[in-house]
Amino acid sequence: EVQLVESGGGLVQPGGSLRLSCAASGFTFSSYEMNWVRQAPGKGLEWVSYISSSGSTIYYADSVKGRFTISRDNAKNSLYLQMNSLRAEDTAVYYCARDGYDPQLFDYWGQGTLVTVSS
Amino acid sequence: DIQMTQSPSSLSASVGDRVTITCRASQGISNSLAWYQQKPGKAPKLLLYAASRLESGVPSRFSGSGSGTDYTLTISSLQPEDFATYYCQQYYSTPLITFGGGTKVEIK
Repeated sequence: EVQLVESGGGLVQPGGSLRLSCAASGFTFSSYEMNWVRQAPGKGLEWVSYISSSGSTIYYADSVKGRFTISRDNAKNSLYLQMNSLRAEDTAVYYCARDGYDPQLFDYWGQGTLVTVSS
Repeated sequence: DIQMTQSPSSLSASVGDRVTITCRASQGISNSLAWYQQKPGKAPKLLLYAASRLESGVPSRFSGSGSGTDYTLTISSLQPEDFATYYCQQYYSTPLITFGGGTKVEIK
């Protein structure tokens, strides 16, 4: 069974940093591209970042470029999102999501981890 | 970026009703369209992809259609477990994929 389990969310002050993790199991993690998608409270879905299976190709949404860094450790079956210079508008539930049949078609999602940026 | 406009933003329906949700892209997306269902406090779940292909395990009362810029999700006979928010997503212009604003399906 495919499982994606996020962790690392919490309350952080504006300008602070946080590192999210996503532990994958039930599939060959190193063969799949991965993404982070976020959802602000009561709002819709916003794609945040993509990383290829090897980690060699990375993309970011303009809203987080230069502040967030996506990475992965295929030996540990883990995906990460380092978030720096956090702003109030980064407050959201962050989901890790696996690419499915096509690039950036998300067939499995984690349960999400809540990041709250507030003083 | 390709903008995805969903309508309506919410609707009220009864069990057994036929429900239709539309999604319009700001440019053609060649059927690179997915539909997700999200229940409160849960992650989105993939329902359909390539505009009309049903994901494994999804009930056949869900169907999708469309082409070019206009797409539709239809629930043929609404069931109690279908009350949720539905999102469309274009994956034509990777990596800058975008979602629609969502349609909340509520009980009448």
